[in-house]
Amino acid sequence: GQNIDQPTEMTATEGAIVQINCTYQTSGFNGLFWYQQHAGEAPTFLSYNVLDGLEEKGRFSSFLSRSKGYSYLLLKELQMKDSASYLCAVSGGSTLGRLYFGRGTQLTVWP
Amino acid sequence: EAQVTQNPRYLITVTGKKLTVTCSQNMNHEYMSWYRQDPGLGLRQIYYSMNVEVTDKGDVPEGYKVSRKEKRNFPLILESPSPNQTSLYFCASSRGQGGQPQHFGDGTRLSIL
Repeated sequence: GQNIDQPTEMTATEGAIVQINCTYQTSGFNGLFWYQQHAGEAPTFLSYNVLDGLEEKGRFSSFLSRSKGYSYLLLKELQMKDSASYLCAVSGGSTLGRLYFGRGTQLTVWP
Repeated sequence: EAQVTQNPRYLITVTGKKLTVTCSQNMNHEYMSWYRQDPGLGLRQIYYSMNVEVTDKGDVPEGYKVSRKEKRNFPLILESPSPNQTSLYFCASSRGQGGQPQHFGDGTRLSIL
């Protein structure tokens, strides 16, 4: 089966940096996504990695190591509005078209 | 405005009464998918469609049906709903699969009594 692991909860203070880790074991791999989901809302796309390395997008960066089955999402200069659930999702498996989500990491940013 | 539209947004119904949740996208996307989200379990894929008339099962297809007769629409059908299908449902679409970010609808909260 497919296995996506990420921490359940994290807390941080405004202005700080937080790193949310994701490890995965899938039978195929076609890329890894990070989504943000505020309470009661739909997930929104943050980043996509298919090759090893760091992708930077403003305050958010995402890293991938395919050999280790590992990714992280780095959030800098945290703001209160960053309080949300962060979802790691792996595209692949044995059939193209499958998308496997982790259970999400609930981040709380304190003033 | 580019969007994925789900209807209804909320529904309370009873066991065994057939229901359909509609999903429509206006972005000409090939790929569409349905998920359910339950506390502690995260998002789980129910069915997906790579294009018109092409559908396949996800992780939790039991009790659900889908169809893709037109590119823009991907309805989710519960022929005989049961209480364990009480959940938050999301429809999503993307330009293709593999590397394309998914655009999610606003969700449908279903309660089956």
